[in-house]
Amino acid sequence: GAGVSQSPSNKVTEKGKDVELRCDPISGHTALYWYRQSLGQGLEFLIYFQGNSAPDKSGLPSDRFSAERTGGSVSTLTIQRTQQEDSAVYLCASSFADRGLPETQYFGPGTRLLVL
Amino acid sequence: LAKTTQPISMDSYEGQEVNITCSHNNIATNDYITWYQQFPSQGPRFIIQGYKTKVTNEVASLFIPADRKSSTLSLPRVSLSDTAVYYCLVVSWTEGGYNKLIFGAGTRLAVHP
Repeated sequence: GAGVSQSPSNKVTEKGKDVELRCDPISGHTALYWYRQSLGQGLEFLIYFQGNSAPDKSGLPSDRFSAERTGGSVSTLTIQRTQQEDSAVYLCASSFADRGLPETQYFGPGTRLLVL
Repeated sequence: LAKTTQPISMDSYEGQEVNITCSHNNIATNDYITWYQQFPSQGPRFIIQGYKTKVTNEVASLFIPADRKSSTLSLPRVSLSDTAVYYCLVVSWTEGGYNKLIFGAGTRLAVHP
């Protein structure tokens, strides 16, 4: 595709509900990352996928957060039993991992999640 | 991972050159310096990356002194559309051969008419 796409662009949910956020990476990109940006804060790393496996989940805040990637392409970030502190912009990035140089990560527009 | 320090905010006027300096005293031998730009309601966008000396592309220049403990992003002749947050990152390879970007607070650049 032309770029990384994410859906939905905005999501409002009630505390305690589950939400699913979707990321479509750039075609052919093997690496996929999820980040979170809270209001007025910098971006924090959540999870990294290489293909369908996630060798680094160290940034997931709690066991309410999970993510999967299928077919080496689309990824879904799931937040169970949402809390108000989960409100943030969730950003997805993809890259074509090249061990020769640190690869450029291409970010999507993000999903703005508001938990009421 | 090397921590970066950069000014919280800067102001400039259209047509001026803007230089944003970032310090990264603990940069490791294999680390690269990378700058991203973020507009409101958008994801960050890669601007430029370098290891040492000077790198230039169609958007910006990056100056890195020999000791690599700092770097300067130079934006020539800024316009109103350059108003954004600029992030300086030191990018390290992890053992798994991937890059986990660590973003700081960034520099909020405001360009005025």
